[in-house]
Amino acid sequence: GESVGLHLPTLSVQEGDNSIINCAYSNSASDYFIWYKQESGKGPQFIIDIRSNMDKRQGQRVTVLLNKTVKHLSLQIAATQPGDSAVYFCAEIRGYQKVTFGTGTKLQVIP
Amino acid sequence: GAVVSQHPSWVICKSGTSVKIECRSLDFQATTMFWYRQFPKQSLMLMATSNEGSKATYEQGVEKDKFLINHASLTLSTLTVTSAHPEDSSFYICSARIRQGVQETQYFGPGTRLLVL
Repeated sequence: GESVGLHLPTLSVQEGDNSIINCAYSNSASDYFIWYKQESGKGPQFIIDIRSNMDKRQGQRVTVLLNKTVKHLSLQIAATQPGDSAVYFCAEIRGYQKVTFGTGTKLQVIP
Repeated sequence: GAVVSQHPSWVICKSGTSVKIECRSLDFQATTMFWYRQFPKQSLMLMATSNEGSKATYEQGVEKDKFLINHASLTLSTLTVTSAHPEDSSFYICSARIRQGVQETQYFGPGTRLLVL
């Protein structure tokens, strides 16, 4: 069936290093993708999104890459900080309404 | 960014009671809101889509008589867990859809933690 999933359940990085969180999706008909950050006990926080007709989008310290050929999405965080520690979800949007979340990747930043 | 609030942030209740959770869009009108539940260390699962002025659309496996949704205004949607049982204990999160130009996205509330004893 259709799914959005992540390759790595847990990622540990040294403070100051760059982080890369990956996500695979199976539905090529999705309209766009969003990365969310969820800290413990809180709701998801929007980080960045990318439309299906784009390959790359940059924000503040974050870059999202979309490879439609292999149905792969990644979130790159530059100069990772302790405050970046959280669970990151990729989400697939179809019909500009329904959001399907991946399983999540826990990012641990080592001071 | 857009702000979505939820109330209460946490609630503890006895088995058999009903609990109402509010979701508000604070600085925009949301014709569509969504309700999710999340179990520990798991992803968000969509429960239902709440449309202002009409009946909610429930996902497969979600009991509409168990989880009552009311979207009476453009800024408020409520989720009522009726006759709550311990297995209903979870983290409930709402989101609101907002359109900015040609782009739409969803902003999430802070969540409501429900513990049913």
